[in-house]
Amino acid sequence: GAGVSQTPSNKVTEKGKYVELRCDPISGHTALYWYRQSLGQGPEFLIYFQGTGAADDSGLPNDRFFAVRPEGSVSTLKIQRTERGDSAVYLCASSGGGEQFFGPGTRLTVL
Amino acid sequence: QKEVEQNSGPLSVPEGAIASLNCTYSDRGSQSFFWYRQYSGKSPELIMFIYSNGDKEDGRFTAQLNKASQYVSLLIRDSQPSDSATYLCAVGGSQGNLIFGKGTKLSVKP
Repeated sequence: GAGVSQTPSNKVTEKGKYVELRCDPISGHTALYWYRQSLGQGPEFLIYFQGTGAADDSGLPNDRFFAVRPEGSVSTLKIQRTERGDSAVYLCASSGGGEQFFGPGTRLTVL
Repeated sequence: QKEVEQNSGPLSVPEGAIASLNCTYSDRGSQSFFWYRQYSGKSPELIMFIYSNGDKEDGRFTAQLNKASQYVSLLIRDSQPSDSATYLCAVGGSQGNLIFGKGTKLSVKP
């Protein structure tokens, strides 16, 4: 595809449930980033992949959050035992070595 | 803790005027600077990047960087109502991640 795609666009879940958010980067982009954006805030960095490996996961808030990118393309952000405070828009961005381009985001609502 | 500060606004300008958006950052070693535009309910869209001191122009947009003052700005000439959005300033981190400010909401009045 021409841009970064993310699925689902919206996810509503109940507190304590497990969710997976998917990101499909721009073809050929080796760098992939996950961010989280709460209302009225700028995006907050979560994790960065270079190829298949997580180069920097210092932004993950706790061990309920985990992300993978097994083949160096599509990435999945996994959140265990969701909490109401996890509600936010989860953004994925990819880069070919310079500027980052964002996908449309997944709006996660934890009830 | 690396920080990026922006005035949250709203900044209101009349159509046709110059809108001036400002940003300061805390890490003196920062090398890359970006401006993203974000319409309500949409994801950030890259509009400008700048790596060197001075001005960089692209159409109606000019980015200005002053590393000594740790200051970066975005000027929008001939502002249009379609420019009404939140403008996010971002600074490149050591691993390539972006550190964002909270954004400045711009309103261009017809």
